[in-house]
Amino acid sequence: KQEVTQIPAALSVPEGENLVLNCSFTDSAIYNLQWFRQDPGKGLTSLLLIQSSQREQTSGRLNASLDKSSGRSTLYIAASQPGDSATYLCAVPKGSNDYKLSFGAGTTVTVRA
Amino acid sequence: ETGVTQSPTHLIKTRGQQVTLRCSSQSGHNTVSWYQQALGQGPQFIFQYYREEENGRGNFPPRFSGLQFPNYSSELNVNALELDDSALYLCASSSRREYNEQFFGPGTRLTVL
Repeated sequence: KQEVTQIPAALSVPEGENLVLNCSFTDSAIYNLQWFRQDPGKGLTSLLLIQSSQREQTSGRLNASLDKSSGRSTLYIAASQPGDSATYLCAVPKGSNDYKLSFGAGTTVTVRA
Repeated sequence: ETGVTQSPTHLIKTRGQQVTLRCSSQSGHNTVSWYQQALGQGPQFIFQYYREEENGRGNFPPRFSGLQFPNYSSELNVNALELDDSALYLCASSSRREYNEQFFGPGTRLTVL
């Protein structure tokens, strides 16, 4: 059974600081890893998808790395802004034909102006 | 391109009642997955539909059932509602041609009194 853990559970930083969010998973036989953003009471917005053959993926101020062998992924957000305040979730499917995502509980980020 | 839509946005039911939630998948996606998200937790996989057939189920009782229609839209039905069914219900659509990246709708907030 795939277990996904996100540390820390919550993070508060001043505006402009870089954010580092961690995700670990127990079964390294993953097809890909996806990072999502969730605003309070809302749905999930896909931020980045990293294929199992990739080491990292970048989109604007966001960069996600993937180390399958150690079961870890890290999401970096550069030069944080108050608008980055949200909960960030990582999720992994088990195999190539398995769309069933296992989620972490998320890291809730607050960026102080 | 139309994103994933869900209806209704909010719903209040009483214990023992039945509820139907609806989801329209993103254009070009033939797979729909349903998730339940309790407050402060990551989403939990309920089941998935691929080309109108159930394609996997999570640890949810049979009173959670679903359907997928020829246009790939989907319904989630919950019978004999319990207080613990109160949650945000999320629908996600995906396509194998897009590396199984999951795109989520805004969710339906269900409150059971």
